[in-house]
Amino acid sequence: SAVISQKPSRDICQRGTSLTIQCQVDSQVTMMFWYRQQPGQSLTLIATANQGSEATYESGFVIDKFPISRPNLTFSTLTVSNMSPEDSSIYLCSVAPTVSTDTQYFGPGTRLTVL
Amino acid sequence: GNSVTQMEGPVTLSEEAFLTINCTYTATGYPSLFWYVQYPGEGLQLLLKATKADDKGSNKGFEATYRKETTSFHLEKGSVQVSDSAVYFCALRSTGGGNKLTFGTGTQLKVEL
Repeated sequence: SAVISQKPSRDICQRGTSLTIQCQVDSQVTMMFWYRQQPGQSLTLIATANQGSEATYESGFVIDKFPISRPNLTFSTLTVSNMSPEDSSIYLCSVAPTVSTDTQYFGPGTRLTVL
Repeated sequence: GNSVTQMEGPVTLSEEAFLTINCTYTATGYPSLFWYVQYPGEGLQLLLKATKADDKGSNKGFEATYRKETTSFHLEKGSVQVSDSAVYFCALRSTGGGNKLTFGTGTQLKVEL
């Protein structure tokens, strides 16, 4: 398994601003994922981030709103841009050590509130 | 496309009661199936998994059997404890799906003394 940390753990932000969430893993992993969990709902995949390539976004999510960086095999960032109250969610990072690993390991999440 | 359907919650049980949380799925091929648990204020943790038909995943007294014929992966525990109170998510990873997980909506379990 992998140990994953996220920063910040929570934040309260003003409408129109941007927040960058960091995800750090204690070992090198091939695949990293970003999910959104809106209040009382399930997890929705935002994008897949592999080192050395552009992130792959799911339907309904765009790079201008959720730019992602993946500079190396242990780190990724997700930025939530031009925030509105509808962006209030928990944002979770997860990892899979290799492409063939079927288990994902999740970070503790970042709880974002947009006023 | 892939989908996971879970029974709606909340499910409220007394301590030592038997637990079943139903999960059915739709997917092509032979997906891997998972149960994740989210304790209050925490992130998701893998509870158990099964990767092929008739496999039984088990952990911490919880069990689930991969039933291809009924496309189900129901979670069971013979005697729940207050500490099992959490939200339980059923999920699948389809073959050729780029390692993406599809989650159910989650079922909240409350265990009372």
